[in-house]
Amino acid sequence: AQSVAQPEDQVNVAEGNPLTVKCTYSVSGNPYLFWYVQYPNRGLQFLLKYITGDNLVKGSYGFEAEFNKSQTSFHLKKPSALVSDSALYFCAVRGGSTGFQKLVFGTGTRLLVSP
Amino acid sequence: DVKVTQSSRYLVKRTGEKVFLECVQDMDHENMFWYRQDPGLGLRLIYFSYDVKMKEKGDIPEGYSVSREKKERFSLILESASTNQTSMYLCASSLGGSLNTEAFFGQGTRLTVV
Repeated sequence: AQSVAQPEDQVNVAEGNPLTVKCTYSVSGNPYLFWYVQYPNRGLQFLLKYITGDNLVKGSYGFEAEFNKSQTSFHLKKPSALVSDSALYFCAVRGGSTGFQKLVFGTGTRLLVSP
Repeated sequence: DVKVTQSSRYLVKRTGEKVFLECVQDMDHENMFWYRQDPGLGLRLIYFSYDVKMKEKGDIPEGYSVSREKKERFSLILESASTNQTSMYLCASSLGGSLNTEAFFGQGTRLTVV
């Protein structure tokens, strides 16, 4: 069965600095990887996804993610953080030989960007 | 834009009540999902449906059931609400037939069982 790990409960970064939110995954076969963001009292918003091809994926709001097959990672990055990026971020994976269509989420990482 | 609408933002129900959470999507998506979100646990899949009248159990189906009589509507039912079902419930939908399509989420229903 597929799984996702987000090892950091919270990431703190100063505005203007680069940010990284970590994600590692486990799945048999080719992984399909996603990042979502959740603002307070809201549903999840899709940021970006990796399907195949370039290992660096660009998404919404200036975010990008780097797929690394050997390290089974899909870290979310942004060159220059904004205070408005403060939110809860979820990594998700879909794939494997069973559980077709099932999207499995990590536990989430809270990003706090300080002015 | 895809829109997934959950019927209530906030609900307060009593222990033992039968509770219905409704979700409607307007993009003709085949797949629909119900998750619950709890602090420190992330999103856990309760049930999903890949077609009308078709459903599969997720990771935590106990105490829940679902209904999908029409393609656009997916209902989550708490047969007899308990306090440990107090949570944020999120509905989502996605296109079927492929693993690479993203899911679109509703705004969530915060359910409190007292």
